[in-house]
Amino acid sequence: DVKVTQSSRYLVKRTGEKVFLECVQDMDHENMFWYRQDPGLGLRLIYFSYDVKMKEKGDIPEGYSVSREKKERFSLILESASTNQTSMYLCASSFGYSGANVLTFGAGSRLTVL
Amino acid sequence: TQLLEQSPQFLSIQEGENLTVYCNSSSVFSSLQWYRQEPGEGPVLLVTVVTGGEVKKLKRLTFQFGDARKDSSLHITAAQPGDTGLYLCAGRMDSNYQLIWGAGTKLIIKP
Repeated sequence: DVKVTQSSRYLVKRTGEKVFLECVQDMDHENMFWYRQDPGLGLRLIYFSYDVKMKEKGDIPEGYSVSREKKERFSLILESASTNQTSMYLCASSFGYSGANVLTFGAGSRLTVL
Repeated sequence: TQLLEQSPQFLSIQEGENLTVYCNSSSVFSSLQWYRQEPGEGPVLLVTVVTGGEVKKLKRLTFQFGDARKDSSLHITAAQPGDTGLYLCAGRMDSNYQLIWGAGTKLIIKP
């Protein structure tokens, strides 16, 4: 069964802390994505990556950075967490470049910043 | 401004009833996907539609892509409690590789 695994399901951090969210996929997918999900706003793209060591900004990259050192792993980093970054974070991966690409999502990481 | 407007935002109905969820835009999409997200899980793809006027059926779920490829609908016949979840539409434009997401429809089916 293909999988995208997000290592932390629930995190509680304090303002100013550095936060790492890890995502691993076992499908040998080229593309990986980090989304943020907030009620009534749908999914908003933070960053994505087409290949190892490559990254592209999405719609809301401010306050975030990413790392992709290996094909299967895509990390989201909050350098200095703020309360407005309290949210559900979803990692996804997909294969190839196609207009009908299917995203496979992880179960999500719910982050609370106090 | 949402490029993809989903309606209704929230729907709570009794088991056995029929319902339709809409996904509308003024923009043309090359393809449109519908996902369902259950509590505590990530979204899971239900269907992709790519041709204007296309209709796809998945058991009691019927998906339609508008003729002009600007809108889509999801119709559920005889809803079951297992249909409960957040339904998300996502479209892809020719000019942009990334998916554009609707805000979602939260559906609750009461036994």
